Amino acid sequence: GAVVSQHPSRVICKSGTSVKIECRSLDFQATTMFWYRQFPKQSLMLMATSNEGSKATYEQGVEKDKFLINHASLTLSTLTVTSAHPEDSSFYICSAPQGLTSYNEQFFGPGTRLTVL
Amino acid sequence: AQSVAQPEDQVNVAEGNPLTVKCTYSVSGNPYLFWYVQYPNRGLQFLLKYITGDNLVKGSYGFEAEFNKSQTSFHLKKPSALVSDSALYFCAVKEYSGAGSYQLTFGKGTKLSVIP
Repeated sequence: GAVVSQHPSRVICKSGTSVKIECRSLDFQATTMFWYRQFPKQSLMLMATSNEGSKATYEQGVEKDKFLINHASLTLSTLTVTSAHPEDSSFYICSAPQGLTSYNEQFFGPGTRLTVL
Repeated sequence: AQSVAQPEDQVNVAEGNPLTVKCTYSVSGNPYLFWYVQYPNRGLQFLLKYITGDNLVKGSYGFEAEFNKSQTSFHLKKPSALVSDSALYFCAVKEYSGAGSYQLTFGKGTKLSVIP
């Protein structure tokens, strides 16, 4: 299947700093990518849909100024957690569908563990 | 809005025994259903999907799922469980989110523990 990578896999930062997470589709182009957040022992919560060449679409309750998304190319989307605080500590996962039809499965990155001290 | 429910937080099964992880769905049209598996501190891996056709869908690692329209269920099964199958399993439904895009809505997940 298709491969999606994320970088970094783990990051620890001080409160107030900004952290950038990269998501890349390695062997296919993705006009759309999704960013999820997962709390321990919980399901994935969709944060936003990243669209190449246009603004991201954020889910209700997600602060767009807090979680900046940039879909710079057909293979790269970035999530920047600005002025991170301990409550932003979580597991962030990106995914990309290989195609836009309803029956295409989404391929997921390995996730990024963010710990804010 | 479409949704899926996984009624069991945890399923325990002995190695070699058959396993079932339950999922029911609620959709307004044709369901597009998926199963994913997540190992600790990892992303999700695709197992199988139902779009149309045969109700019994075969997927990766010996897993299969049975689509039952009358019971609105899509249970994940495997005839003989392995210890390495121990992981977190997510059922998901795909729905149209606008502007030509589809997004997945996940169940809460079921932790499968296979006991040696």
